[in-house]
Amino acid sequence: AQKVTQAQTEISVVEKEDVTLDCVYETRDTTYYLFWYKQPPSGELVFLIRRNSFDEQNEISGRYSWNFQKSTSSFNFTITASQVVDSAVYFCALSEGWKAAGNKLTFGGGTRVLVKP
Amino acid sequence: EAGVTQSPTHLIKTRGQQATLRCSPISGHTSVYWYQQALGLGLQFLLWYDEGEERNRGNFPPRFSGRQFPNYSSELNVNALELEDSALYLCAAMPGLSPNEQFFGPGTRLTVL
Repeated sequence: AQKVTQAQTEISVVEKEDVTLDCVYETRDTTYYLFWYKQPPSGELVFLIRRNSFDEQNEISGRYSWNFQKSTSSFNFTITASQVVDSAVYFCALSEGWKAAGNKLTFGGGTRVLVKP
Repeated sequence: EAGVTQSPTHLIKTRGQQATLRCSPISGHTSVYWYQQALGLGLQFLLWYDEGEERNRGNFPPRFSGRQFPNYSSELNVNALELEDSALYLCAAMPGLSPNEQFFGPGTRLTVL
């Protein structure tokens, strides 16, 4: 069975500080997909990134960066120079693709990030 | 282009009643997923519909059911409501079976009294 663990339930930082969110996953499949979503107070999940299991390149998008390490089954997310607008709950999720279970997402418990001005 | 829409935004029911939640995916997105976000339980997969058929369901009792219409919109029905069904119900859509990102709607907050 697949499982996603986000050990940090809440992180509080002061604006401009960097913040790293940890995500550890478990799966028996060799092909899988990892995602990060942001959930602002409005409730709607906003897609941030998708990574497939064959692509271990790290990625940077503006102030966001992701570190995927298959050896440790981790897919960590860093926000550089945090801003108040980054305050939200962030979810890491895993999909084993449509052949296994129809692309259903298994989510971690989420990490609430609070950025104080 | 409009995103995934859900209605109603809020729904208040009493225990034992039935609730119907609706979802309209982005044009061209044929797969619809339902997730439940209950307090303390995180986001859990409920149901997956594709091309009008239920393809997969999560670990939920049969009183959670739904359907997908020819225009790919979807309905989630919850019968015999229980207090613990109070949650945010999120609908997500994606184009076909490729493992792309799922686009989420704003959710329906169901409160069972």
